[in-house]
Amino acid sequence: KAGVTQTPRYLIKTRGQQVTLSCSPISGHRSVSWYQQTPGQGLQFLFEYFSETQRNKGNFPGRFSGRQFSNSRSEMNVSTLELGDSALYLCASSLGTSGPPSYNEQFFGPGTRLTVL
Amino acid sequence: DQQVKQNSPSLSVQEGRISILNCDYTNSMFDYFLWYKKYPAEGPTFLISISSIKDKNEDGRFTVFLNKSAKHLSLHIVPSQPGDSAVYFCAASARNRGSTLGRLYFGRGTQLTVWP
Repeated sequence: KAGVTQTPRYLIKTRGQQVTLSCSPISGHRSVSWYQQTPGQGLQFLFEYFSETQRNKGNFPGRFSGRQFSNSRSEMNVSTLELGDSALYLCASSLGTSGPPSYNEQFFGPGTRLTVL
Repeated sequence: DQQVKQNSPSLSVQEGRISILNCDYTNSMFDYFLWYKKYPAEGPTFLISISSIKDKNEDGRFTVFLNKSAKHLSLHIVPSQPGDSAVYFCAASARNRGSTLGRLYFGRGTQLTVWP
């Protein structure tokens, strides 16, 4: 079974630009979560999508948005980039439904390293 | 509001010894706990988990202990190996709460260094 894939792996943008990151979950997984990782801050939760609907949302400004398609693939968009947005962006997928505990185990992609200059 | 806390940002252990990583949580609704391991420039990988109906789960060199009354869990690695050097994240979920069904709450991580 193929794992979670993220594209692109590396991205360099300048302040004020916008960026779109893509995530393809494990086949059969309907939940996709996005995280931002910066040094010392751990994994900061951005949002989670399930069946094309945003189900959970973290405390990030509205410049951060996302969507999920009918095939469960997800995109994350950041508009008006700031220097502080430089980070590793991780996507994770899971079954995301009620049931055995393993249904909530999240499987992570390799991440997209975004650098804002 | 950090609902899952890992108060030790780093831990250094000699090869062959036991590594104990600690995690505390505040939300009594959490009923499932996971540990992830992360190497630099890679995504976290799932290591081991425990349900709140248990107090111990073991998988090879890795054992997770859960103390619900203290809202505390720990990950024991015995014996520690240099390849275990990584950041370890503790995570929790409240599976029975519909509004947060798909969400994991992560701690800030503990950098484990195992030296020869």
